[in-house]
Amino acid sequence: GIQVEQSPPDLILQEGANSTLRCNFSDSVNNLQWFHQNPWGQLINLFYIPSGTKQNGRLSATTVATERYSLLYISSSQTTDSGVYFCAVVWNNQGGKLIFGQGTELSVKP
Amino acid sequence: DTGVSQDPRHKITKRGQNVTFRCDPISEHNRLYWYRQTLGQGPEFLTYFQNEAQLEKSRLLSDRFSAERPKGSFSTLEIQRTEQGDSAMYLCASSPRELLETQYFGPGTRLLVL
Repeated sequence: GIQVEQSPPDLILQEGANSTLRCNFSDSVNNLQWFHQNPWGQLINLFYIPSGTKQNGRLSATTVATERYSLLYISSSQTTDSGVYFCAVVWNNQGGKLIFGQGTELSVKP
Repeated sequence: DTGVSQDPRHKITKRGQNVTFRCDPISEHNRLYWYRQTLGQGPEFLTYFQNEAQLEKSRLLSDRFSAERPKGSFSTLEIQRTEQGDSAMYLCASSPRELLETQYFGPGTRLLVL
């Protein structure tokens, strides 16, 4: 099956700093989503981005499908950005089920 | 559009008891997915429905687990004879008709088996 690897596993930032989270995948994918899981466990959609670049406020994402990676950029981080960020892919058109990476746990300090 | 809802949000049960969770997808979303997430891990796929048809089940879904989606609306996930290893967050997601559309997740049901 496909492998989805995220780095770094943990990240601690001061409020206002910028960060880049990476997601590598071992095969071609049909779909890629980024999620933020808040401390209460809710998975919040950030981007649906199988290829290209998208921006939403302080967040942006880029997926280079041919090189099998995606990046999530967080600028001017805030304490509310804390939580776990997951990358998830749909592989081989398998019914649309998402295969998740292990996540990056982000902690933003005031 | 009220989003995906799940009930209950928390469940504590004793080993050997049966539990049932409910998921209400976003209206007009015909695909519904169940995932399980244990501490420190990413969610793992359990099963999915297109309308009322259950199209795939993961090997993670033992015989003690059963899921239904009568009439293609809400779905239930039942765990019989619960074991401590079943303790996890159970997440439901829905997506529109197209295969590669965004999935939207509910708040999850956190299960603790004592």
